[in-house]
Amino acid sequence: KNEVEQSPQNLTAQEGEFITINCSYSVGISALHWLQQHPGGGIVSLFMLSSGKKKHGRLIATINIQEKHSSLHITASHPRDSAVYICAAGPNTGNQFYFGTGTSLTVIP
Amino acid sequence: EPEVTQTPSHQVTQMGQEVILRCVPISNHLYFYWYRQILGQKVEFLVSFYNNEISEKSEIFDDQFSVERPDGSNFTLKIRSTKLEDSAMYFCASSLIGQGARYGYTFGSGTRLTVV
Repeated sequence: KNEVEQSPQNLTAQEGEFITINCSYSVGISALHWLQQHPGGGIVSLFMLSSGKKKHGRLIATINIQEKHSSLHITASHPRDSAVYICAAGPNTGNQFYFGTGTSLTVIP
Repeated sequence: EPEVTQTPSHQVTQMGQEVILRCVPISNHLYFYWYRQILGQKVEFLVSFYNNEISEKSEIFDDQFSVERPDGSNFTLKIRSTKLEDSAMYFCASSLIGQGARYGYTFGSGTRLTVV
Protein backbone atom coordinates (compact mmCIF):
# COMPACT_ATOMS: atom_id res chain seq x y z
CA LYS A 1 0.00 0.00 0.00
CA ASN A 2 1.32 3.45 -0.88
CA GLU A 3 1.46 5.51 2.30
CA VAL A 4 2.42 9.15 2.61
CA GLU A 5 2.87 10.42 6.15
CA GLN A 6 3.31 14.04 7.15
CA SER A 7 4.41 15.60 10.40
CA PRO A 8 3.45 17.54 12.28
CA GLN A 9 -0.30 17.58 11.64
CA ASN A 10 -0.63 21.03 13.14
CA LEU A 11 2.00 23.69 13.63
CA THR A 12 1.82 27.14 15.19
CA ALA A 13 4.76 29.48 14.80
CA GLN A 14 5.66 33.05 15.62
CA GLU A 15 6.27 35.35 12.71
CA GLY A 16 9.89 35.15 11.63
CA GLU A 17 10.46 31.59 12.77
CA PHE A 18 12.05 28.93 10.59
CA ILE A 19 9.54 26.17 9.84
CA THR A 20 10.05 22.58 8.78
CA ILE A 21 7.35 20.20 7.59
CA ASN A 22 8.26 16.57 7.01
CA CYS A 23 6.97 13.97 4.60
CA SER A 24 7.84 10.29 4.41
CA TYR A 25 6.61 7.74 1.94
CA SER A 26 6.73 3.99 1.65
CA VAL A 27 7.47 3.21 -2.01
CA GLY A 28 9.97 4.23 -4.63
CA ILE A 29 8.83 7.40 -6.33
CA SER A 30 9.50 9.29 -9.51
CA ALA A 31 8.39 12.67 -8.18
CA LEU A 32 7.09 14.42 -5.10
CA HIS A 33 4.82 17.46 -5.00
CA TRP A 34 4.51 20.04 -2.26
CA LEU A 35 1.20 21.86 -2.45
CA GLN A 36 -0.34 24.71 -0.51
CA GLN A 37 -4.05 24.73 0.27
CA HIS A 38 -5.78 27.86 1.54
CA PRO A 39 -9.05 27.95 3.53
CA GLY A 40 -11.15 28.17 0.36
CA GLY A 41 -9.81 24.74 -0.58
CA GLY A 42 -7.95 25.55 -3.79
CA ILE A 43 -4.45 24.17 -4.13
CA VAL A 44 -1.31 25.77 -5.46
CA SER A 45 1.68 23.73 -6.49
CA LEU A 46 4.83 24.91 -4.71
CA PHE A 47 7.40 22.39 -5.90
CA MET A 48 7.71 19.18 -7.81
CA LEU A 49 11.02 17.46 -7.23
CA SER A 50 12.60 14.11 -7.85
CA SER A 51 16.03 14.69 -6.29
CA GLY A 52 18.10 17.17 -4.33
CA LYS A 53 16.75 20.54 -3.41
CA LYS A 54 14.66 23.36 -4.86
CA LYS A 55 14.29 26.92 -3.64
CA HIS A 56 11.70 29.56 -4.42
CA GLY A 57 11.82 32.74 -2.41
CA ARG A 58 11.53 31.82 1.26
CA LEU A 59 10.54 28.24 0.50
CA ILE A 60 12.98 25.36 0.23
CA ALA A 61 12.13 21.75 -0.54
CA THR A 62 14.54 18.87 -0.15
CA ILE A 63 14.21 15.19 -0.88
CA ASN A 64 16.28 12.18 0.12
CA ILE A 65 15.37 9.34 -2.20
CA GLN A 66 17.29 6.69 -0.25
CA GLU A 67 15.56 7.57 3.00
CA LYS A 68 12.17 8.13 1.30
CA HIS A 69 11.84 11.50 2.99
CA SER A 70 11.20 15.07 1.96
CA SER A 71 11.08 18.32 3.89
CA LEU A 72 9.55 21.70 3.20
CA HIS A 73 11.22 24.63 4.92
CA ILE A 74 9.89 28.15 5.26
CA THR A 75 12.39 30.80 6.28
CA ALA A 76 11.32 34.04 8.00
CA SER A 77 7.72 32.85 8.25
CA HIS A 78 4.91 35.34 7.80
CA PRO A 79 1.19 35.23 8.71
CA ARG A 80 0.35 34.98 5.01
CA ASP A 81 2.13 31.59 5.01
CA SER A 82 -0.73 30.25 7.13
CA ALA A 83 -2.27 27.42 5.13
CA VAL A 84 -2.36 23.65 4.86
CA TYR A 85 0.76 22.19 3.24
CA ILE A 86 0.32 18.88 1.49
CA CYS A 87 2.89 16.39 0.29
CA ALA A 88 1.99 14.10 -2.63
CA ALA A 89 4.17 11.24 -3.87
CA GLY A 90 4.10 9.79 -7.36
CA PRO A 91 5.29 6.15 -7.45
CA ASN A 92 7.59 4.81 -10.15
CA THR A 93 4.75 2.69 -11.51
CA GLY A 94 1.35 4.07 -12.33
CA ASN A 95 0.64 7.73 -12.86
CA GLN A 96 -1.40 8.85 -9.89
CA PHE A 97 -0.13 10.77 -6.86
CA TYR A 98 -0.74 9.66 -3.29
CA PHE A 99 -1.45 12.46 -0.87
CA GLY A 100 -0.58 13.03 2.75
CA THR A 101 -3.17 14.36 5.16
CA GLY A 102 -1.57 17.79 5.23
CA THR A 103 0.07 20.00 7.84
CA SER A 104 -1.98 22.94 9.06
CA LEU A 105 0.35 25.89 9.64
CA THR A 106 -0.64 29.00 11.56
CA VAL A 107 1.86 31.86 11.76
CA ILE A 108 1.07 34.36 14.49
CA PRO A 109 2.13 38.00 14.09
CA GLU B 1 3.83 29.40 -16.50
CA PRO B 2 1.16 27.13 -18.06
CA GLU B 3 -1.79 26.36 -15.82
CA VAL B 4 -4.56 23.81 -15.51
CA THR B 5 -7.81 25.77 -15.36
CA GLN B 6 -10.96 24.54 -13.64
CA THR B 7 -14.44 26.00 -13.86
CA PRO B 8 -16.51 26.82 -11.96
CA SER B 9 -14.63 27.38 -8.72
CA HIS B 10 -17.76 26.57 -6.74
CA GLN B 11 -20.88 24.72 -7.87
CA VAL B 12 -24.03 24.01 -5.90
CA THR B 13 -26.42 21.35 -7.15
CA GLN B 14 -29.54 19.58 -5.98
CA MET B 15 -29.29 15.95 -4.96
CA GLY B 16 -30.11 13.71 -7.88
CA GLN B 17 -29.07 16.24 -10.51
CA GLU B 18 -26.33 15.66 -13.04
CA VAL B 19 -23.28 17.87 -12.78
CA ILE B 20 -20.35 18.42 -15.13
CA LEU B 21 -17.05 19.76 -13.85
CA ARG B 22 -14.79 21.28 -16.45
CA CYS B 23 -11.05 21.42 -16.79
CA VAL B 24 -8.71 22.84 -19.40
CA PRO B 25 -5.42 20.93 -19.15
CA ILE B 26 -2.09 22.29 -20.32
CA SER B 27 -2.21 22.33 -24.09
CA ASN B 28 0.53 19.84 -24.99
CA HIS B 29 -0.21 17.42 -22.16
CA LEU B 30 -1.44 13.95 -23.01
CA TYR B 31 -2.55 12.48 -19.66
CA PHE B 32 -5.43 13.83 -17.61
CA TYR B 33 -6.59 13.09 -14.10
CA TRP B 34 -9.33 13.78 -11.60
CA TYR B 35 -8.89 13.75 -7.82
CA ARG B 36 -11.35 14.36 -5.01
CA GLN B 37 -11.02 15.73 -1.49
CA ILE B 38 -13.92 15.35 0.92
CA LEU B 39 -13.81 18.01 3.62
CA GLY B 40 -11.33 17.12 6.34
CA GLN B 41 -9.93 14.14 4.42
CA LYS B 42 -6.95 13.62 2.17
CA VAL B 43 -7.00 14.06 -1.57
CA GLU B 44 -7.84 10.80 -3.35
CA PHE B 45 -7.29 9.66 -6.90
CA LEU B 46 -10.38 9.08 -9.06
CA VAL B 47 -9.30 8.43 -12.62
CA SER B 48 -6.65 8.91 -15.27
CA PHE B 49 -7.34 9.31 -18.99
CA TYR B 50 -5.11 8.90 -22.01
CA ASN B 51 -5.75 8.57 -25.72
CA ASN B 52 -9.49 9.06 -25.24
CA GLU B 53 -9.93 6.28 -22.78
CA ILE B 54 -9.63 5.61 -19.06
CA SER B 55 -6.20 4.21 -18.23
CA GLU B 56 -6.67 3.76 -14.48
CA LYS B 57 -9.48 4.30 -11.99
CA SER B 58 -10.01 3.91 -8.28
CA GLU B 59 -12.81 2.16 -6.39
CA ILE B 60 -14.44 5.55 -5.88
CA PHE B 61 -14.94 5.96 -9.61
CA ASP B 62 -18.13 3.93 -10.01
CA ASP B 63 -20.85 3.97 -12.67
CA GLN B 64 -22.09 7.33 -11.45
CA PHE B 65 -18.93 8.95 -12.78
CA SER B 66 -17.73 9.42 -16.33
CA VAL B 67 -14.99 11.42 -18.00
CA GLU B 68 -14.74 12.82 -21.46
CA ARG B 69 -12.48 14.90 -23.61
CA PRO B 70 -15.17 16.41 -25.83
CA ASP B 71 -12.82 18.59 -27.86
CA GLY B 72 -9.13 19.40 -28.09
CA SER B 73 -9.00 21.52 -24.98
CA ASN B 74 -11.56 20.44 -22.35
CA PHE B 75 -11.57 17.49 -20.00
CA THR B 76 -14.78 16.92 -18.07
CA LEU B 77 -15.97 14.89 -15.10
CA LYS B 78 -19.68 14.05 -15.06
CA ILE B 79 -21.56 12.84 -12.03
CA ARG B 80 -24.88 11.42 -13.20
CA SER B 81 -27.10 11.60 -10.15
CA THR B 82 -25.40 13.47 -7.37
CA LYS B 83 -25.55 12.32 -3.76
CA LEU B 84 -24.87 14.33 -0.64
CA GLU B 85 -21.61 12.42 -0.17
CA ASP B 86 -20.35 13.68 -3.54
CA SER B 87 -19.84 17.08 -1.91
CA ALA B 88 -16.09 17.65 -2.13
CA MET B 89 -13.31 19.57 -3.82
CA TYR B 90 -12.53 18.09 -7.21
CA PHE B 91 -9.07 18.62 -8.65
CA CYS B 92 -8.03 18.13 -12.23
CA ALA B 93 -4.43 17.49 -13.25
CA SER B 94 -2.52 16.88 -16.44
CA SER B 95 0.92 15.63 -17.40
CA LEU B 96 2.99 15.31 -20.53
CA ILE B 97 3.91 11.70 -19.89
CA GLY B 98 2.02 9.33 -17.64
CA GLN B 99 4.31 6.58 -16.39
CA GLY B 100 6.54 7.81 -13.60
CA ALA B 101 4.33 10.78 -12.63
CA ARG B 102 7.17 13.17 -13.22
CA TYR B 103 6.79 15.11 -16.40
CA GLY B 104 5.11 18.44 -15.92
CA TYR B 105 2.41 17.01 -13.65
CA THR B 106 0.29 20.06 -12.86
CA PHE B 107 -2.78 20.39 -10.66
CA GLY B 108 -5.68 22.76 -11.16
CA SER B 109 -6.89 24.85 -8.24
CA GLY B 110 -10.10 22.86 -7.82
CA THR B 111 -13.89 23.05 -8.02
CA ARG B 112 -15.85 22.92 -4.79
CA LEU B 113 -19.03 20.89 -5.38
CA THR B 114 -21.80 21.24 -2.82
CA VAL B 115 -24.77 18.88 -3.12
CA VAL B 116 -27.87 20.05 -1.24
